[in-house]
Amino acid sequence: GIQVEQSPPDLILQEGANSTLRCNFSDSVNNLQWFHQNPWGQLINLFYIPSGTKQNGRLSATTVATERYSLLYISSSQTTDSGVYFCAVLMDSSYKLIFGSGTRLLVRP
Amino acid sequence: GAVVSQHPSRVICKSGTSVKIECRSLDFQATTMFWYRQFPKQSLMLMATSNEGSKATYEQGVEKDKFLINHASLTLSTLTVTSAHPEDSSFYICSAGRPFTGGGNQPQHFGDGTRLSIL
Repeated sequence: GIQVEQSPPDLILQEGANSTLRCNFSDSVNNLQWFHQNPWGQLINLFYIPSGTKQNGRLSATTVATERYSLLYISSSQTTDSGVYFCAVLMDSSYKLIFGSGTRLLVRP
Repeated sequence: GAVVSQHPSRVICKSGTSVKIECRSLDFQATTMFWYRQFPKQSLMLMATSNEGSKATYEQGVEKDKFLINHASLTLSTLTVTSAHPEDSSFYICSAGRPFTGGGNQPQHFGDGTRLSIL
């Protein structure tokens, strides 16, 4: 089956720093979602981005489907950005989401 | 829009008890719902796909008799953990969506999860 790999697994930032999270996938996919799981376990939709670039405030994402990767950019990080960031690829044939292992982010004040 | 409500948020019960978790799409009709399980510091693992009006499809290794899924309407799916034991303790989370509508699949939207602790 398709493999979804995220890097880095862990990241510690000082408040105000920028970061880039990466998601690689092993096969062609039609859709990709980025999520933030906060310390209470809530999974928040960040982006639904099969290709191209999208921006939402301090966050932006780029998916290059032909090269099988997606990037999530966090600028001017805040302590509330802490948590786990997951990418998940959507298999159109089954509508199943396959999750990566996540990047655990800690933003220090 | 696209709100998914999951209830209860936390359950603590004795071994041998059956526990029911509800997942509701509040402002859209979800033809498909999914149930995931997440262990501490791990990713989400898909347990089963729930389609309205038909039997659920379970992923390999998931016991269908242990985890009963019912999707009786377009807005409600339930997961029942039968005769729960301590090893069933985990974080369970549902998602809902509408595949293959109009211009293609719509993104999945997630409930807030249920933290199940079996003593």
